[in-house]
Amino acid sequence: QKEVEQNSGPLSVPEGAIASLNCTYSDRGSQSFFWYRQYSGKSPELIMSIYSNGDKEDGRFTAQLNKASQYVSLLIRDSQPSDSATYLCAVKNAGNMLTFGGGTRLMVKP
Amino acid sequence: DTEVTQTPKHLVMGMTNKKSLKCEQHMGHRAMYWYKQKAKKPPELMFVYSYEKLSINESVPSRFSPECPNSSLLNLHLHALQPEDSALYLCASSQPGGLYEQYFGPGTRLTVT
Repeated sequence: QKEVEQNSGPLSVPEGAIASLNCTYSDRGSQSFFWYRQYSGKSPELIMSIYSNGDKEDGRFTAQLNKASQYVSLLIRDSQPSDSATYLCAVKNAGNMLTFGGGTRLMVKP
Repeated sequence: DTEVTQTPKHLVMGMTNKKSLKCEQHMGHRAMYWYKQKAKKPPELMFVYSYEKLSINESVPSRFSPECPNSSLLNLHLHALQPEDSALYLCASSQPGGLYEQYFGPGTRLTVT
């Protein structure tokens, strides 16, 4: 059973702080790693993809990948109330299937 | 352009009805997906089409019938659904293979009465 694990939260951070979201995966054959943001009642929106070990930055978002530890994280700097959402970690192997974690609910308090 | 469109946005149907959900993408993607999402759960894969051929069916009941008329369109035909089938139905697309990003449409909120 290929699994992707996330802490369900809620993770509560004050406005302006760094939010750190974590994800572990079980399939060592995983090739690509994604973070989706999902607002309540809306569809998942792709915010970051990462394929190799290290950090990838895009604006206020940084994705980190450590394949040896089978660990992916997402850092959100200068968190805003509009960042309050559920963040889904997703992992893809050589095929077409995305395996999702259960999601972490983030709450950014003004 | 990373847009996947879905119609209708909302659908209410009785258990004896037949209806269809539609999905369209113009990104040149050759893989398309149907997911079902219940409240507070991640999306659950139902079907995958790759190069217009059904490549994955995740043991979905036969009351759900997918169709891929061409590389841009994906339909999900619904018949004799149960109230527990009420959910958000998501379409997504990507290029086939493990290294490509998958983009979701806005979803169809389905209620079965």
